[in-house]
Amino acid sequence: GAVVSQHPSWVICKSGTSVKIECRSLDFQATTMFWYRQFPKQSLMLMATSNEGSKATYEQGVEKDKFLINHASLTLSTLTVTSAHPEDSSFYICSARGSLLLYEQYFGPGTRLTVT
Amino acid sequence: ELKVEQNPLFLSMQEGKNYTIYCNYSTTSDRLYWYRQDPGKSLESLFVLLSNGAVKQEGRLMASLDTKARLSTLHITAAVHDLSATYFCAVFGGNTPLVFGKGTRLSVIA
Repeated sequence: GAVVSQHPSWVICKSGTSVKIECRSLDFQATTMFWYRQFPKQSLMLMATSNEGSKATYEQGVEKDKFLINHASLTLSTLTVTSAHPEDSSFYICSARGSLLLYEQYFGPGTRLTVT
Repeated sequence: ELKVEQNPLFLSMQEGKNYTIYCNYSTTSDRLYWYRQDPGKSLESLFVLLSNGAVKQEGRLMASLDTKARLSTLHITAAVHDLSATYFCAVFGGNTPLVFGKGTRLSVIA
């Protein structure tokens, strides 16, 4: 099946700094990528949807200036958490959908972000 | 707006027992997914149900879909400890991203 990777798998950063998370589709072209956030013992919450070459569409309540999403190519999307705060600590999971299998979403392994 | 409801949210069951997790969704959809998540891990795809009446089975888990009732069930047969995890159903609402239920945290105890 299709593989989605994320890097890093975990990161610790200090308050006020920025951190970038990469999401790659390894064996297919991801026309659409999704970023989810999951707090402990909760469900996945969609943060934003991005199409290659276009600006991301953010869900209500998600600060677009804080969570910068770039989908510059068909295999790479990045999420940058700017000026991170402890409340941004969470598990971030990306998901990708290809042009050929429009109804399938493939999930990455997740990135655990801890802001101290 | 598509909404997905799961119940129960928490389930503690004894080894060897059977139980069912329910997933209701609010608008028409013919694609429903079940995922398993272990602590600290991402999602593992269990089943994709594509049409009314679809039934899929893998080991001790069996999933079914009734699109008319907008209901899917995940049935656990003779539970074992290894099945302890959180199970999510998710529904595809056309060209939108998957919408997830809140998840069912399953704990299988001896």
